[in-house]
Amino acid sequence: GNSVTQMEGPVTLSEEAFLTINCTYTATGYPSLFWYVQYPGEGLQLLLKATKADDKGSNKGFEATYRKETTSFHLEKGSVQVSDSAVYFCALTANTGNQFYFGTGTSLTVIP
Amino acid sequence: DTEVTQTPKHLVMGMTNKKSLKCEQHMGHRAMYWYKQKAKKPPELMFVYSYEKLSINESVPSRFSPECPNSSLLNLHLHALQPEDSALYLCASSQAGLTQYFGPGTRLTVL
Repeated sequence: GNSVTQMEGPVTLSEEAFLTINCTYTATGYPSLFWYVQYPGEGLQLLLKATKADDKGSNKGFEATYRKETTSFHLEKGSVQVSDSAVYFCALTANTGNQFYFGTGTSLTVIP
Repeated sequence: DTEVTQTPKHLVMGMTNKKSLKCEQHMGHRAMYWYKQKAKKPPELMFVYSYEKLSINESVPSRFSPECPNSSLLNLHLHALQPEDSALYLCASSQAGLTQYFGPGTRLTVL
């Protein structure tokens, strides 16, 4: 079946620290992979995506590389800001239907 | 434009009320979704409409009734809800199973 396993939170970092949030997946076929971010009181916003192996998605200083050999899609940012405080969800779609599979979410708090 | 709009933003209702949530997108997407999200949890899929036909119903209680009047609109009719139905209700749309774009959600409180 399809599933996403995401690093447990919460994560607390100081401003300008390096961020990694781990995400691994199980999927049939060739999934597309996503990171969504949810700020307090808001809906989910697409942060970045990758649709095939070795693709790197990037946006707003965040990056993630689709690694088929390790079935991973880890989110990284070199220097976090207070404004990055949010919940981050890793997700996949198996491209065979309309269903998304979400990880459990990782709450990030960045302190000044 | 990747905007999905939802109204109302907040809704408080009693257990005997009938209300509706509305969702609209103008991206030409042919799949639309309703999710329920509890605090600090991922979204849970409720319904999927594909080309205006209900294609997935994740065993949602009948007090939730979806409707897709046309390819741009999605409604969720609520009746006789329970306090445990209080949550953030998210609408999303996508083109052919690709990237889903989410609305800002409706925060529902059932008294």
